[in-house]
Amino acid sequence: DGGITQSPKYLFRKEGQNVTLSCEQNLNHDAMYWYRQDPGQGLRLIYYSQIVNDFQKGDIAEGYSVSREKKESFPLTVTSAQKNPTAFYLCASSISPPRTEAFFGQGTRLTVV
Amino acid sequence: AQSVTQLDSHVSVSEGTPVLLRCNYSSSYSPSLFWYVQHPNKGLQLLLKYTSAATLVKGINGFEAEFKKSETSFHLTKPSAHMSDAAEYFCVVIAGMDTGRRALTFGSGTRLQVQP
Repeated sequence: DGGITQSPKYLFRKEGQNVTLSCEQNLNHDAMYWYRQDPGQGLRLIYYSQIVNDFQKGDIAEGYSVSREKKESFPLTVTSAQKNPTAFYLCASSISPPRTEAFFGQGTRLTVV
Repeated sequence: AQSVTQLDSHVSVSEGTPVLLRCNYSSSYSPSLFWYVQHPNKGLQLLLKYTSAATLVKGINGFEAEFKKSETSFHLTKPSAHMSDAAEYFCVVIAGMDTGRRALTFGSGTRLQVQP
């Protein structure tokens, strides 16, 4: 089945650690996105990529980094510089440019312990 | 710049009564508009989309929305609520091709509660 796979579903991070969230898609989409969702809030864009080897900062990129070495993969690293990383992270993909719907993964819940 | 405003953060209805979730958008260019639903701790599922075809759009699970350019609105409706409709709903806009920003803009969400 085509879709987007995020892993892990739950992730725990100690203070000062970097962690990487995985996002893989087999929809042959050029565009991929990372969003952060906090309780009672909408989705905020962290980074997006319209094509392999290229990506742009979204609204809240500080403390995060990404890479896009393959069309299928868009991993997100939450660095120790991110002061409040506890949140629900959603990855999405779409055709590029995005004129129709994006498809979402099931999310990764990151908790700082 | 594009933006989306969902006018209600919470909506509560009784099972079997109509649902109305309101969304207004702002876009300098011809937009594409979407409604997504999110159940707790899940990803987002597309309910319906408007991409410059018919202004009345029918989606899954009995939902529909009407694009009204004069009112810059894209409200989501359902004639009769079901308990399984209880979830968070997001209105989303993509600006037209001419803008530099090529990503989706989300509203803040509306939490729908359905009372038995």
